[in-house]
Amino acid sequence: DSGVTQTPKHLITATGQRVTLRCSPRSGDLSVYWYQQSLDQGLQFLIQYYNGEERAKGNILERFSAQQFPDLHSELNLSSLELGDSALYFCASSARRQGANYGYTFGSGTRLTVV
Amino acid sequence: LAKTTQPISMDSYEGQEVNITCSHNNIATNDYITWYQQFPSQGPRFIIQGYKTKVTNEVASLFIPADRKSSTLSLPRVSLSDTAVYYCLVGGYSGAGSYQLTFGKGTKLSVIP
Repeated sequence: DSGVTQTPKHLITATGQRVTLRCSPRSGDLSVYWYQQSLDQGLQFLIQYYNGEERAKGNILERFSAQQFPDLHSELNLSSLELGDSALYFCASSARRQGANYGYTFGSGTRLTVV
Repeated sequence: LAKTTQPISMDSYEGQEVNITCSHNNIATNDYITWYQQFPSQGPRFIIQGYKTKVTNEVASLFIPADRKSSTLSLPRVSLSDTAVYYCLVGGYSGAGSYQLTFGKGTKLSVIP
């Protein structure tokens, strides 16, 4: 258990629908990052939040949005879903610098299937 | 952010040492080099991190030459369970608890019995 919790683990929905993915970061981590990984593709950075504020944006579609709440959990909202949005969505969190071992801690992901 | 280049795939027999080299010609002074391992349908897992010279932990070694334009991840005596995708990342702390790390395509390591 990495300490980063993602729910749900699996999600099947129809095209045109809207879904919400949830992420709880490791205790004490203030930053949350969202990544998308399509079949046989690398990890594409979507968006980052730090302590409730958007910090960085990657290749995130306008149909997608995210937010981080005061308790530091984050939600990724995907709307007007298309077949191509089917992918694994990972959340990662990071802490303040901690010596020589720092970087991201990933959750186990949410597998989204759009049918 | 520095771009990384690594082989798309590698094959190795069980028990052999595997070396995966990553090129990062545009690495910045403050950048660290970090390697992650990813099994199918799982989130990437931190393996090792270094800034220069050699770093060793219980699972791997990381060799970084003086110019830091490349790095080599060394996995000693691989087993079938080491079959995974290995990502080389370059980047670092960007302030206020944030890290800027970019994932490339990774190297798919297949360990053969």
